Amino acid sequence: GDSVTQMEGPVTLSEEAFLTINCTYTATGYPSLFWYVQYPGEGLQLLLKATKADDKGSNKGFEATYRKETTSFHLEKGSVQVSDSAVYFCALSEGDNAGKSTFGDGTTLTVKP
Amino acid sequence: DVKVTQSSRYLVKRTGEKVFLECVQDMDHENMFWYRQDPGLGLRLIYFSYDVKMKEKGDIPEGYSVSREKKERFSLILESASTNQTSMYLCASSLFGDLPNNEQFFGPGTRLTVL
Repeated sequence: GDSVTQMEGPVTLSEEAFLTINCTYTATGYPSLFWYVQYPGEGLQLLLKATKADDKGSNKGFEATYRKETTSFHLEKGSVQVSDSAVYFCALSEGDNAGKSTFGDGTTLTVKP
Repeated sequence: DVKVTQSSRYLVKRTGEKVFLECVQDMDHENMFWYRQDPGLGLRLIYFSYDVKMKEKGDIPEGYSVSREKKERFSLILESASTNQTSMYLCASSLFGDLPNNEQFFGPGTRLTVL
């Protein structure tokens, strides 16, 4: 079945540092890939997405590129802020799953001033 | 602005009580989901529904049931609450079908404590 493996956390960075959170996946077909973010005390919200190989999703300074050859979708940001402190989830969705998604375990990011 | 709302942010119940968690979405989505989120275990799917009165078990359905009488509302029921059901419960919705942009929209969560 489908699976998503995320870099284990927690991750602690200083403000303005470079961020990478690794995500690899296993899927039977050609999934869409997502990064969701969960701020403290809230539900998840979509951060960015990519629907086919070599697509780059971007939002709020975050980027991730759909790499089919390495089955990866790593999240990056050039300069993190304290307000980026949150839990980040990588996820995939396959068309034959009728809208169901498979989520990674989440990576907690703490950014210190 | 699209919205998924959950009936309570925080809930405290006693062992053996019947507990209802309600979720409502205003996006006319066919799919609705219930997850629980526990530290170190990520999101685990309890049940989902792809249409009114339809439901399918997720990965951890034991001890839970669901009800979907109207398209916009999906209820999670704990028939007899137990302490190991203390958790954060998240509801989500999405469109049905083979769609490339089929993201899920989440509610704010209900933190349930069973004493």
